[in-house]
Amino acid sequence: EAGVAQSPRYKIIEKRQSVAFWCNPISGHATLYWYQQILGQGPKLLIQFQNNGVVDDSQLPKDRFSAERLKGVDSTLKIQPAKLEDSAVYLCASSLLPLSLSEAFFGQGTRLTVV
Amino acid sequence: GQQLNQSPQSMFIQEGEDVSMNCTSSSIFNTWLWYKQDPGEGPVLLIALYKAGELTSNGRLTAQFGITRKDSFLNISASIPSDVGIYFCAGQDGNKLVFGAGTILRVKS
Repeated sequence: EAGVAQSPRYKIIEKRQSVAFWCNPISGHATLYWYQQILGQGPKLLIQFQNNGVVDDSQLPKDRFSAERLKGVDSTLKIQPAKLEDSAVYLCASSLLPLSLSEAFFGQGTRLTVV
Repeated sequence: GQQLNQSPQSMFIQEGEDVSMNCTSSSIFNTWLWYKQDPGEGPVLLIALYKAGELTSNGRLTAQFGITRKDSFLNISASIPSDVGIYFCAGQDGNKLVFGAGTILRVKS
C-alpha cells in the first residue's frame, strides 16, 4: 500500500516570497492533516480536513497560510508571504477515519528554509 | 494551550542498555501515543495507549498510561543501533494530537 506522498522534499525561498506544498494521502483516507515541525520541537497541527471540509484550523496563521482539499483527495498548503520563522518541516498525515477512531500515517515532509 | 513535557531531551547510551523516557502534562488525555521519527522521515506510531493504567508492549518496547491520565512512559529494553532516532509522546484530545518536544536517542555500538 502506498504511503502519504508529499512534494517537494526540500524548498529554499527568500522571505516575502510565496510557496506551495502538495500532499496525496493514502487512498481512501477521509481525514487529512497538515503539521508544522520546527527544528527541535514536536509537530504542531495547522489544519485538519474531513473529506473536503475543514474540521480544525484554529492554529493556522490565516493571514499568510492557506490550505485546500478541493476534491477531498489531495491537498495543497500555501504560504504567502513567507517569513523567516516559517522555516520548518511541513508534514502531511492521513487517517481512514477521524483521529479518535484510527491511526494517522505521516508523509516524509517538506523541509522549507526561508532566507 | 496544552503542553507536554518530555524528558530527557537526549540520551547517549551503550548498545544493550535499557532506555526509559517519560512525558507529563498539566491536562488530562484520553489517549497517549508514542512515535519514532528517523532523520528525513515522518513520525511512525510505535504504541497507542487507550486506558488509564494500561501497560502495553510492542517487541522490546513497553509503554504505560499513567493512572492520573496526565503522564506516560516508554521503555526500550536491550537497545540496538537501529533504535537511534527521536521519540515523541503525544496526547490525543478529541481529533487533535499534542506532541512533546521529543527525546533524541543515540546508541553507541
